[in-house]
Amino acid sequence: GAVVSQHPSRVICKSGTSVKIECRSLDFQATTMFWYRQFPKQSLMLMATSNEGSKATYEQGVEKDKFLINHASLTLSTLTVTSAHPEDSSFYICSAFRSEGQTQYFGPGTRLLVL
Amino acid sequence: AQSVTQLGSHVSVSEGALVLLRCNYSSSVPPYLFWYVQYPNQGLQLLLKYTSAATLVKGINGFEAEFKKSETSFHLTKPSAHMSDAAEYFCAVSAVRSLIQGAQKLVFGQGTRLTINP
Repeated sequence: GAVVSQHPSRVICKSGTSVKIECRSLDFQATTMFWYRQFPKQSLMLMATSNEGSKATYEQGVEKDKFLINHASLTLSTLTVTSAHPEDSSFYICSAFRSEGQTQYFGPGTRLLVL
Repeated sequence: AQSVTQLGSHVSVSEGALVLLRCNYSSSVPPYLFWYVQYPNQGLQLLLKYTSAATLVKGINGFEAEFKKSETSFHLTKPSAHMSDAAEYFCAVSAVRSLIQGAQKLVFGQGTRLTINP
């Protein structure tokens, strides 16, 4: 149990375009999901907390208009990188919080490359 | 506020040897503690967690960790390393919260890369 999926696993896009990443909890409902960014050989950096049915809470320094988050259901959160630029290239990982056990379960990540 | 320090960004052991990955935490409230493993180009997989029950926690793949409040530590061990254990390991802490309070953010350590020598 506690499986989280992400789609796509890899995406290459042109500078200026927008990219949507989906995060799904497959076998449990998640009121809260988290979005992280990871640079090579570094730890995870929390970008935002996504709550079902309400606005996301962004960490300091993360542009909310740049990284749009929608948590429309208890099993799906999406992250849209708007007007992507090469500096947005990174590994994006989501997690879903399972209240039973108070544990975050992570997706497999999405590798974004902006040309 | 919470923080996590993982001592040693890179640990190298021989196959069959003891694995010890160190994690010290700081928390102003009772903590939940986690160890996650990350294989190259993948997400994080939960190895084990401490949630205020038994102080010695057993996880997957033969790993275990002991919560020591007096030392504010949660070190990860495995008696005998296997080649497949080579990965990045992250220690994380969150505050104990009630279900009404909802999800709590995780604070991660910087990670320890474990290399296994044949």
